[in-house]
Amino acid sequence: KAGVTQTPRYLIKTRGQQVTLSCSPISGHRSVSWYQQTPGQGLQFLFEYFSETQRNKGNFPGRFSGRQFSNSRSEMNVSTLELGDSALYLCASSLESPYNEQFFGPGTRLTVL
Amino acid sequence: KNQVEQSPQSLIILEGKNCTLQCNYTVSPFSNLRWYKQDTGRGPVSLTIMTFSENTKSNGRYTATLDADTKQSSLHITASQLSDSASYICVAGYNQGGKLIFGQGTELSVKP
Repeated sequence: KAGVTQTPRYLIKTRGQQVTLSCSPISGHRSVSWYQQTPGQGLQFLFEYFSETQRNKGNFPGRFSGRQFSNSRSEMNVSTLELGDSALYLCASSLESPYNEQFFGPGTRLTVL
Repeated sequence: KNQVEQSPQSLIILEGKNCTLQCNYTVSPFSNLRWYKQDTGRGPVSLTIMTFSENTKSNGRYTATLDADTKQSSLHITASQLSDSASYICVAGYNQGGKLIFGQGTELSVKP
């Protein structure tokens, strides 16, 4: 069974630009969660999607958004990038909810210059 | 405030030695406690998941304990190997909706 895949793995953008990250969950998993990981803050929850609906949301500004498609694949978008958005963005999939075991992807390393 | 605190922040041990990592959590209502291992540049990998009714769970050389009364958990690593060098993250789940609170992690370095 293939694991969680994320694309791209690395990304360099400049302030003010926007970026879209993609996540393909494990086959059969319907819940996809997104996290931001920085050295100072650790892992922070962004949002969770289930059946194409955002079910839970963390404390991030509206510049961070996401969506989920009918095949459970998910994308997250960050608009008007700031230097502080530089981080490792991790996607995790689980069967029905993060209450089940979560499987993480390798992450996308975003650098904002 | 819901939070998870881990100690120590970092730890260096010699190969073959045992070690114990600590986690204190204050989340309510508590549903489960997880330990993840994260190698540098990779996503976290689940080691154990325990509900409030479980006291201990093992995964090979990793053994996690949970005391729901004192809101403490520990991860014991037996006969450490060089490949155990990683960040170990404690995560507390609360509310059935699957919300998770992550600790800052303990950076473990195993030296030959």
